Amino acid sequence: GENVEQHPSTLSVQEGDSAVIKCTYSDSASNYFPWYKQELGKGPQLIIDIRSNVGEKKDQRIAVTLNKTAKHFSLHITETQPEDSAVYFCAASNPGSARQLTFGSGTQLTVLP
Amino acid sequence: DGGITQSPKYLFRKEGQNVTLSCEQNLNHDAMYWYRQDPGQGLRLIYYSQIVNDFQKGDIAEGYSVSREKKESFPLTVTSAQKNPTAFYLCATTPRTSGVHNEQFFGPGTRLTVL
Repeated sequence: GENVEQHPSTLSVQEGDSAVIKCTYSDSASNYFPWYKQELGKGPQLIIDIRSNVGEKKDQRIAVTLNKTAKHFSLHITETQPEDSAVYFCAASNPGSARQLTFGSGTQLTVLP
Repeated sequence: DGGITQSPKYLFRKEGQNVTLSCEQNLNHDAMYWYRQDPGQGLRLIYYSQIVNDFQKGDIAEGYSVSREKKESFPLTVTSAQKNPTAFYLCATTPRTSGVHNEQFFGPGTRLTVL
């Protein structure tokens, strides 16, 4: 089955700096890669996603890149703000799998004012 | 959130007792999922259901049971066989079980504490 590894597990940046979180996946058939943000005590919320026919996608301060050959994808947050502090999860999906998403272990991002 | 309701938000249980966590959705989504979240371990899949009256075990199904009698509801029972049930439990849904769009929508979660 699919295996998703996520790094780093914790990340601290100064307000205004950029943050990068990286994930690798094992199943070459996976074709959908979402990123979720989870605030303390709440359920995860989708912030951006990318499909395998696209190499990069951007939404304001957030961008995701995908390298299908190397089987890794990354989340980039620019001009970080304190409200970006949260746990971020990557995931991968193989459309042939009934269980849908396989999640990474999460990254605790702290933006220091 | 946004059409997925989990209740209660906090739940306390004595050792040896079964407890049922509720998950209800009004999104008309086909598939529903239960995840367990422990600190530093991400989301682990317990059970999932693609259609009514059908469900499959995930990675950590031991000590848990589910039912899917209605499309809108997917309750999770934590039995006394679950050795370490204290965790944050998340319910999720997906619009369809196959095709291009695989986004999962999450409920607000239930925090279960065993006393």
